[in-house]
Amino acid sequence: DAKTTQPPSMDCAEGRAANLPCNHSTISGNEYVYWYRQIHSQGPQYIIHGLKNNETNEMASLIITEDRKSSTLILPHATLRDTAVYYCIVRPRNSGGSNYKLTFGKGTLLTVNP
Amino acid sequence: NAGVTQTPKFQVLKTGQSMTLQCAQDMNHNSMYWYRQDPGMGLRLIYYSASEGTTDKGEVPNGYNVSRLNKREFSLRLESAAPSQTSVYFCASSDSQGHEQYFGPGTRLTVT
Repeated sequence: DAKTTQPPSMDCAEGRAANLPCNHSTISGNEYVYWYRQIHSQGPQYIIHGLKNNETNEMASLIITEDRKSSTLILPHATLRDTAVYYCIVRPRNSGGSNYKLTFGKGTLLTVNP
Repeated sequence: NAGVTQTPKFQVLKTGQSMTLQCAQDMNHNSMYWYRQDPGMGLRLIYYSASEGTTDKGEVPNGYNVSRLNKREFSLRLESAAPSQTSVYFCASSDSQGHEQYFGPGTRLTVT
């Protein structure tokens, strides 16, 4: 699986957009980009995923560069409850075997400040 | 819907004791997973079950066994607990596409 690189920590003011970057320069054509987050002491929570097009849902937007070597997760109006560790994960299309595995790195600790 | 439930929430074991962590999901998902998370680390996959009746090893299977009891339930067994197995254990489930994994609240296990 492709490796991802994320900054260890970021700060954001409440009500502002939080833009979390992720580098995945070795991503291959059949690999998706996933974002999960983990609020302190809770289980991880799925946020969004994409292949090559930008994606938006009720939680966030995912912007993937044209060469697919990096992506940005955008929380449009961050709240204090968005303080969490955010994980960027790259994984092949689900074709069985170990493709089910999500490889969690250390992620980015996003702190939303009042 | 309760989603993914795990029992117990907390457990303290002595070295050499055995125990089973229980996980159940009510979302009719085919796939289920067991992860462990050590302090300051990301999650690591222990075992997974792609569908009822199948189980496969993940990254760190040594010292663990699993049983996919039925479509709803996936248990993790520690036969002889060791201090290195002190961790937080998360169970998850997903449909066959596996894009969105739903996680349980975790079991915090301490082995002394």
